[in-house]
Amino acid sequence: QVQLQESGPGLVRPSQTLSLTCTVSGGSLSSGGYYWSWIRQHPGKGLEWIGNIDYSGSTKYNPSLKSRIILSIDTSKNHFSLKVNSVSDADTAVYYCARDTDWLFDRWGQGTLVTVSS
Amino acid sequence: IVLTQSPGTLSLSPGDRATLSCRTSQSLSATYLGWYQQKPGQAPRLLIYGVSNRATGIPDRFSGSGSGTDFTLTISRLEPEDFAVYYCQQYGSSPRTFGQGTKVEIK
Repeated sequence: QVQLQESGPGLVRPSQTLSLTCTVSGGSLSSGGYYWSWIRQHPGKGLEWIGNIDYSGSTKYNPSLKSRIILSIDTSKNHFSLKVNSVSDADTAVYYCARDTDWLFDRWGQGTLVTVSS
Repeated sequence: IVLTQSPGTLSLSPGDRATLSCRTSQSLSATYLGWYQQKPGQAPRLLIYGVSNRATGIPDRFSGSGSGTDFTLTISRLEPEDFAVYYCQQYGSSPRTFGQGTKVEIK
């Protein structure tokens, strides 16, 4: 059973860079067949897809965030990562990593709250 | 594509039938719609894909239907564990988008 776990700082200062990592267990990122996504949920709000990456490092980004987002993958460590540059209050959210069929998200991490505050 | 879910909150009792609506701003050319369940403090869980197909392990009291711009999630008889927030998601157009959610609460 594939499991995903997010990790990273819970507090980021405005204008700084938010960095999160998702470690995958029970399956190998290098085996292919899936994409690996980041999704966020603003407090009390709905869900927003941020972007995804495949085992080769090919990425797709939500146009609304594309200019500030970098996704990367390290198959040797079986993890993938998210960086969001120039954060503001609007980036305060619970960030989820998820296994992505390129259509739907069938496995999710438990989520991690990132607060942007000085 | 913008997804609009209604109602925002549904107050029902265990054993009741729940009918949740999801309307898309553009017609989905194929069955590119799914539903998720989210309980407090938990990640969403995939319930339905392809409008009407239950994901692995999802009980048959959950069913999906619809086409074009109007889609429905039905829970035939609410169990205590079904009280949660439900989101629809379209994957017919990029970027994939979610509805704002319907909360099913205990009356």
